[in-house]
Amino acid sequence: SQQGEEDPQALSIQEGENATMNCSYKTSINNLQWYRQNSGRGLVHLILIRSNEREKHSGRLRVTLDTSKKSSSLLITASRAADTASYFCATGGMNRDDKIIFGKGTRLHILP
Amino acid sequence: ETGVTQTPRHLVMGMTNKKSLKCEQHLGHNAMYWYKQSAKKPLELMFVYSLEERVENNSVPSRFSPECPNSSHLFLHLHTLQPEDSALYLCASSQDAKREPQETQYFGPGTRLLVL
Repeated sequence: SQQGEEDPQALSIQEGENATMNCSYKTSINNLQWYRQNSGRGLVHLILIRSNEREKHSGRLRVTLDTSKKSSSLLITASRAADTASYFCATGGMNRDDKIIFGKGTRLHILP
Repeated sequence: ETGVTQTPRHLVMGMTNKKSLKCEQHLGHNAMYWYKQSAKKPLELMFVYSLEERVENNSVPSRFSPECPNSSHLFLHLHTLQPEDSALYLCASSQDAKREPQETQYFGPGTRLLVL
């Protein structure tokens, strides 16, 4: 299906370390987005990468996309306590009628 | 702040009550969305409106009734809900769902609903 699945489901790392989350999907996509959600709040858009792009950067965030493996990764460098949140990938299908579909998310906890 | 507000932030209602959730966006967008987020489940798209016209209804039970009076306001009317409807209800907006249906969405903080 178009729906992305994040891996791992939960991740705990020490503050200052890098955090890597992965997203896999099964059908071809037009683009892939990453969102962050703090506990009980709305989602915040982080970055969008299109199917013809391989890598994008935004501040401490680095996103890669490998369409041959149907996977994407989100790397957060030099993690901070404020990075504690759930992270979701959202895939956009190839057809114009396709809506973006969210995965179940990775819960990231940054330890002090 | 993302420019999308939702009220109320928390709501407790009985199964026989009627209540409404409100969403307002200040971004000049043409498309608005309702999502349901339950524990350990992916975000579920409920309704999509583009220029006040409903373009998507993902087989949502009739006890949920959306209303979009203009491109800045979106309501979700609730009646005779079930306990399993307890969830976080998120509103989102985007520039134009018809022109670019997969573009970035901007979310409100959500309404935490508990049905007793």
